[in-house]
Amino acid sequence: GAVVSQHPSWVICKSGTSVKIECRSLDFQATTMFWYRQFPKQSLMLMATSNEGSKATYEQGVEKDKFLINHASLTLSTLTVTSAHPEDSSFYICSARANPSGGGELFFGEGSRLTVL
Amino acid sequence: RKEVEQDPGPFNVPEGATVAFNCTYSNSASQSFFWYRQDCRKEPKLLMSVYSSGNEDGRFTAQLNRASQYISLLIRDSKLSDSATYLCVVNSAGGTSYGKLTFGQGTILTVHP
Repeated sequence: GAVVSQHPSWVICKSGTSVKIECRSLDFQATTMFWYRQFPKQSLMLMATSNEGSKATYEQGVEKDKFLINHASLTLSTLTVTSAHPEDSSFYICSARANPSGGGELFFGEGSRLTVL
Repeated sequence: RKEVEQDPGPFNVPEGATVAFNCTYSNSASQSFFWYRQDCRKEPKLLMSVYSSGNEDGRFTAQLNRASQYISLLIRDSKLSDSATYLCVVNSAGGTSYGKLTFGQGTILTVHP
């Protein structure tokens, strides 16, 4: 089946630094990818929808200047957490659909666990 | 009211037991419904879609009641490997195209010997 890969799986950084997380669709092209965040014992919350070649669409309450999303190709979207703080520590997950028309299963990356010291 | 609500559990059941999870959603325009499974510190994986007529996949049965805006998942003959968090997921924008997937907080299941 379709595979979505994220990198890095784990990252620890100092407060104030920026962290980039990559999301790749390995065997299909994804014009749209989704970025989620999951805090411990909570549900996944959609942060933004990443659109290839255009600006991302952010959910209410998500700071677009803090969470920079770039979707420069049909197989890669990146999320950069800028000036990270301890409260940004979370599990970040991306997803994409293999079906370009929008239906079908949503495949998730393995997730990236960010810890900000 | 949350868009998608689940009983967080945890449910602790012995092997072989039958267990049922419930989920309610608030957007009556929602068209697509799913159950995902998430293992500890892993990404969610699709368990099954939920169809209006109800559907079954082996030991798993999903039901949808649009009038009550209620979704259920039944697991028969529980296995140790069924231990996970089960996420109720709704396409809250309506339709089956790129809509916003809203996740419930998940129901924790632990199956013990």
